[in-house]
This record gives sequence, C-alpha cells and structure tokens, in this order.
Amino acid sequence: DIQMTQSPSSLSASVGDRVTITCRASQSISSYLNWYQQTPGKAPKLLIYAASSLQSGVPSRFSGSGSGTDFTLTISSLQPEDFATYYCQQSYNTPRFTFGPGTKVDIK
Amino acid sequence: EVQLLESGGGLVRPGGSLRLSCAASGFTFSTYAMSWVRQAPGKGLEWVSAVSGSGARTYYADSVQGRFTGSRDNSKNTLFLQLNSLRADDTAVYYCARDPGAAAAGTRFDYWGQGTLVTVSS
Repeated sequence: DIQMTQSPSSLSASVGDRVTITCRASQSISSYLNWYQQTPGKAPKLLIYAASSLQSGVPSRFSGSGSGTDFTLTISSLQPEDFATYYCQQSYNTPRFTFGPGTKVDIK
Repeated sequence: EVQLLESGGGLVRPGGSLRLSCAASGFTFSTYAMSWVRQAPGKGLEWVSAVSGSGARTYYADSVQGRFTGSRDNSKNTLFLQLNSLRADDTAVYYCARDPGAAAAGTRFDYWGQGTLVTVSS
C-alpha cells in the first residue's frame, strides 16, 4: 500500500496567518491527491481534489499544489473557522485509499 | 441536497456482529460508488470498504477482509456494512461517503454522513 505522511503533525497559528501543510507519498501518485478538513465531532469535508482543484463551495483562501510525491495545502489567511485537522488522501491506488495521519491547526 | 445518514452503531461484545446502514438522498444513488471510512477515538481516518454503483464489485481493507461485507440496495437508496467477528480495535466512528469517480484513480469522497459509533467491548 501507498503510505502517506504529513508535516507538521500540529501547528499553532493566528487569525490572518498564512499556513502551509505538507503531504508526502511513499511513491509517485501523479496528481491523485485530495485534502479534507475535519472539525471536532464532525465528518470530514472535501476541500481540494486532484491536488489543486477547489471543491465547489470551498473558500478561495484554500489552495493545493504538487505532483508526484510531494504536495502542499495552503490557507492564505487563516480564519477562525479554519482551526481544524487536515488530512491528505491518495486516490492513485484505488480503491485502496490511504490517508495521511493528519495535521491539527490550533489557535496560537 | 445530498444527504447521507448512518445508523446501526452501538455496543457489541468481542466476536459479535452489527449491521450498519447508510440512507442516501438528494442524488441518483445507483450511479455512485460508495465507501465506508472509520475513525478510532482520537485517531485518523482509515478507509474500510467500497461498493460499486451496481453493487457487483466490493473492495476491502486488509484489516477487515473476511470479516466485513459491504452491500447496497439501490431500490431503497441504502448502503450497508455487515460487521462480523468484531474486535476491540474495530471500535470507531464509521462514516459512509459518496465517491463520484466510481472508485477509479483520481476520485474523491465529496459527501460524508455524520457517522455512527461502534464500540466493541466486553
């Protein structure tokens, strides 16, 4: 199976900060990488698919980039509702989807 | 509006069984593959099972292969997951999720249910 790693595992930031989260795959996954946001007690929500495509209804402050093995999720200006845990997911070796371990973004 | 509503979770003893359901509405259910994803308390997300739109093809994570069975009733817009031989490490919130890409490369989970909690304990 393809293994996914994320860094950092957690970070503290302030409203208005620019935040970048990195995801790495154990082998090339082309651009088959998705990002999800999960707030406590809620289901995950799709933010970005195919590495850089913004899901409908998701604010434009979220963006994704990368291909091959290295990917990033960027929040251009952190908002209060963005404090959450973010997961990457590979969809290259389907249907054996694998998720990264998550990055928790909390308030500084 | 797309809605997914899971049910069937609860407390079960090790070795026991449960059947989870996911009732779908707001889209043409039979044209979408569906997956189950679980999350152990305080842990990350783990894909468990996928079922094709017709129900003819099913896929499983190694951790549940041979113990869990995914199925669907398209006439009732409902997805199922039969959990057998349950173990303590199956304790988790189980989510159903819609897959617009038929479980093919490049797909994603665009809608999720609210989850149902399965607790395996004696």
